[in-house]
Amino acid sequence: EVPLVESGGGLVQSGGSLRLSCTASTSYFWTFWMTWVRQAPGKGLEWVASTNQDGGQRFYPDSAKGRFTISRDNAKRSLYLQMSSVMSEDTAVYYCADLFAGFWGQGTVVAVSS
Amino acid sequence: QAGLTQPPSLSKDLGQTATLICTGGSSNVGHEGVGWLQQYQGHPPKLLSDRDNRRPSGISDRFSASTSGNTASLTITGLRPEDEADYYCAAWDTSVNAMLFGGGTKLTVL
Repeated sequence: EVPLVESGGGLVQSGGSLRLSCTASTSYFWTFWMTWVRQAPGKGLEWVASTNQDGGQRFYPDSAKGRFTISRDNAKRSLYLQMSSVMSEDTAVYYCADLFAGFWGQGTVVAVSS
Repeated sequence: QAGLTQPPSLSKDLGQTATLICTGGSSNVGHEGVGWLQQYQGHPPKLLSDRDNRRPSGISDRFSASTSGNTASLTITGLRPEDEADYYCAAWDTSVNAMLFGGGTKLTVL
């Protein structure tokens, strides 16, 4: 089990910005393919962004392109999600994960007010 | 991007076997395999099976996964009350470089 801890969630106004962080407790963080996944209240899992081990490759769904940016700092064992131009539809619990390795954080709540 | 397809619900009796299905395409399920996730309400998902159909350490051998063509299956034997949860499949799509999720199957153990 590799604890991942998200932070940075909170209440943000529509159109505003927020930066989520995810910190790993292992020095092997640099080997993880990292993903942000969100879950709106009562809904299923939704992919938000992914990045490879060195951060040189970044992937987004259409809903996030141009608004969200995923990045990482392996020296700090940290993953980030910069969210901008947020909308009410972005209200969700946001999880960071090395999904296929089975490492998930507990999630951080983002609530967008109109 | 289109997602993977899962039946929204499945009900089985205590002690029976449940088989959950996830259907995709040749660029995702058929090419990369799927991960299976279990989620209880209010908790993060937990990986039950990786893309090679292997169970992570600590996962009961009552859970087994397989893939045939573009369809993946998760079989749960000897159903217990604690198996009542939401189950998701996930796969990477190599044609569009995107993570796909199934809509989830809510398993009810009667």
